[in-house]
Amino acid sequence: GENVEQHPSTLSVQEGDSAVIKCTYSDSASNYFPWYKQELGKGPQLIIDIRSNVGEKKDQRIAVTLNKTAKHFSLHITETQPEDSAVYFCAFNDYKLSFGAGTTVTVRA
Amino acid sequence: NAGVMQNPRHLVRRRGQEARLRCSPMKGHSHVYWYRQLPEEGLKFMVYLQKENIIDESGMPKERFSAEFPKEGPSILRIQQVVRGDSAAYFCASSPPSKGRVTGELFFGEGSRLTVL
Repeated sequence: GENVEQHPSTLSVQEGDSAVIKCTYSDSASNYFPWYKQELGKGPQLIIDIRSNVGEKKDQRIAVTLNKTAKHFSLHITETQPEDSAVYFCAFNDYKLSFGAGTTVTVRA
Repeated sequence: NAGVMQNPRHLVRRRGQEARLRCSPMKGHSHVYWYRQLPEEGLKFMVYLQKENIIDESGMPKERFSAEFPKEGPSILRIQQVVRGDSAAYFCASSPPSKGRVTGELFFGEGSRLTVL
């Protein structure tokens, strides 16, 4: 997606290992950074988000970290399970959400 | 509370025909966003609408594409004289009223998959 770079584009991990996806954005005025998960044939769903006044947020096995100075934020999934296999998108806000190109995560059983 | 409803889920058109995609936002939501997703690609913003107003159409091609969100009824994305390159999944999202930047979740529908033969 324009103005946001997402890496890697594909990620294969062994079940139980961790997965990390990183995004870099350009709009210094952005203050809301969500992550969406898209399963095959479905619409994207929000899994976690972070606002610019916070550096880290956790929700069970999922965490997001934000470095506003460096303009990057990351998604961390610990103890991965087969149902974590999906495409993950980062996004940042202006008057809409602009999405990264996506990361296809495959969790090997 | 029903989620964002999109129809049709699948649409097949021949080159030169028109495609109309409909989106009913969640109850209480007055903002609608349309995104296009090509196979194995990300979500590309097309247009952002509020009731009876187009707020940002910077991502929508100038020709053949139009969108509306009338006072009553669903939002419509219309593609005239479709070409093979229009084949994609079109997603609608909605959000509650807000001013300025998006600061909360966009709720997505399941998408409409357009195939142009």
